[in-house]
Amino acid sequence: SQQGEEDPQALSIQEGENATMNCSYKTSINNLQWYRQNSGRGLVHLILIRSNEREKHSGRLRVTLDTSKKSSSLLITASRAADTASYFCATHHSGGGADGLTFGKGTHLIIQP
Amino acid sequence: DGGITQSPKYLFRKEGQNVTLSCEQNLNHDAMYWYRQDPGQGLRLIYYSQIVNDFQKGDIAEGYSVSREKKESFPLTVTSAQKNPTAFYLCASSIGQSGEKLFFGSGTQLSVL
Repeated sequence: SQQGEEDPQALSIQEGENATMNCSYKTSINNLQWYRQNSGRGLVHLILIRSNEREKHSGRLRVTLDTSKKSSSLLITASRAADTASYFCATHHSGGGADGLTFGKGTHLIIQP
Repeated sequence: DGGITQSPKYLFRKEGQNVTLSCEQNLNHDAMYWYRQDPGQGLRLIYYSQIVNDFQKGDIAEGYSVSREKKESFPLTVTSAQKNPTAFYLCASSIGQSGEKLFFGSGTQLSVL
């Protein structure tokens, strides 16, 4: 299956700075989702952007989608120590049903206090 | 509190032994999923179920089995045929069958003695 690939693999920034993570994929998609995972825990859904949308906001999160480049970015503004986690993009490919979601390997974000 | 409960949090398997991981949800979701996560990797789909008494193989079903006798429950058995079972196992559910917005349990870490 065609996974999304996150970039960078790891990111360390100071508290208060903005964090940007990118996701690239290979096949046509219905939607792209971002999830957060704290160490040793399950994933938490953050935001979903559909293939006909270009940008979405949720609190301090901003997601963009460029279907021509097959890429998405997740921006976390004014980062906090509690944002330290791994962030995964998941692509739901066109024609896929319940099994159509594939996850990337994630970006590990560390917020330095 | 609505959510997904996985148990146990830690599980140890001896050679040749079958073990069962529990997953219960009280969200009234139709679809349930089992994923495997290896260190530094994304999630890989083992099995999923869209309706009671029906389930489908995911990408890595060999060595695993599931049942869906009740809407709320989707246990995963790791059989002795699974030669590399050490991993973090995540159960998830979603409204409907579209694979949008998954809700995850807190995971079970399975290790081999």
